[in-house]
Amino acid sequence: QKEVEQNSGPLSVPEGAIASLNCTYSDRGSQSFFWYRQYSGKSPELIMFIYSNGDKEDGRFTAQLNKASQYVSLLIRDSQPSDSATYLCAVMNSGYSTLTFGKGTMLLVSP
Amino acid sequence: GAVVSQHPSWVICKSGTSVKIECRSLDFQATTMFWYRQFPKQSLMLMATSNEGSKATYEQGVEKDKFLINHASLTLSTLTVTSAHPEDSSFYICSARDIGGDQPQHFGDGTRLSIL
Repeated sequence: QKEVEQNSGPLSVPEGAIASLNCTYSDRGSQSFFWYRQYSGKSPELIMFIYSNGDKEDGRFTAQLNKASQYVSLLIRDSQPSDSATYLCAVMNSGYSTLTFGKGTMLLVSP
Repeated sequence: GAVVSQHPSWVICKSGTSVKIECRSLDFQATTMFWYRQFPKQSLMLMATSNEGSKATYEQGVEKDKFLINHASLTLSTLTVTSAHPEDSSFYICSARDIGGDQPQHFGDGTRLSIL
């Protein structure tokens, strides 16, 4: 059973702070990792994807991948109230087919 | 780029009705599309993988005769919930992936289905 684990939260941070969201996965053969943001009642929106060990930055977002530790994280700098949402970690299963999603971490950014 | 359109966004209908949901990739070709359902405060549950020109692959526990999937072209997949009942009420979301093995999935806006 391939699993993706996330802390359900909520993770509460003040506006302007750095939010750190973490994810671990069980399938050592996984090569592709994705972070989606989902607002309440809406469908997921792709934030970032990462394939190689290390950091990948896009604006205020940084994805970090450590395949040896089977660990993926998402950092959000200068957090804004509009970042308040559930963040889903998704891991592409071996064979480039389906995604396994974590249950998501709810982020609350207070003004 | 990578826009996925899903229609309708909201359906309310009587028990026993069949409901068709369309998923279109607007600016890319998608050999593979995916159908998910999501219950309140839960994560996405993959129902099936839809491949253009072939039969869909259903996840364990998903009834093939209940949830009919057709992927007739590289830009369109449909999900038909046949003889829907109140327990089928859920948020149904499709996604599509561009050609290329490790491309990300892009999601449609979802369809909220309510069966009375």
